[in-house]
Amino acid sequence: DAKTTQPPSMDCAEGRAANLPCNHSTISGNEYVYWYRQIHSQGPQYIIHGLKNNETNEMASLIITEDRKSSTLILPHATLRDTAVYYCIVRAYFKAAGNKLTFGGGTRVLVKP
Amino acid sequence: DGGITQSPKYLFRKEGQNVTLSCEQNLNHDAMYWYRQDPGQGLRLIYYSQIVNDFQKGDIAEGYSVSREKKESFPLTVTSAQKNPTAFYLCASSGVAEDTQYFGPGTRLTVL
Repeated sequence: DAKTTQPPSMDCAEGRAANLPCNHSTISGNEYVYWYRQIHSQGPQYIIHGLKNNETNEMASLIITEDRKSSTLILPHATLRDTAVYYCIVRAYFKAAGNKLTFGGGTRVLVKP
Repeated sequence: DGGITQSPKYLFRKEGQNVTLSCEQNLNHDAMYWYRQDPGQGLRLIYYSQIVNDFQKGDIAEGYSVSREKKESFPLTVTSAQKNPTAFYLCASSGVAEDTQYFGPGTRLTVL
């Protein structure tokens, strides 16, 4: 799986949009970009994933650059409950047996009132 | 209400004892996984199962054992052979092996 690079931490004001960047310059053509988040002492929560088109769901939007070497997760109106560590993961859909998710360091997001 | 349940949330055991962590899902998923997370670290795959009665070792299987007798259940046993068992254990499942994985709430195991 391609390696990802994320800033270690960022702050965001409550009610504002949070834009979380991720670099994945070695991504392959069959690899998807996944985003999970982990609130302290809880299991990771799936947020969104995409291949090359931008994606939106009830939680967030995912913007992938045309060359697919980077992406941005957008939380449109951050709340205090969005405080968590956010992980960007690149994974091939048709992965060989094992299919493990490789979590890097992630971005620790602190939403402030 | 569909989801993945893990019990208990906190577990304490004495050194040298085996302990079994429960993982149940009612999502009708074929594939299930066990990960281990140490403080400030990412997740490491212990075991996974793509179908009932079949499972494979992940990256850190030594000292652990699993069974998959039912589609809904994938219990993990932490044996006395596991040198550093204190950790946060996470169970996940996916429709099939390639699909998105969804996680349970985790079990924090402390070995005294």
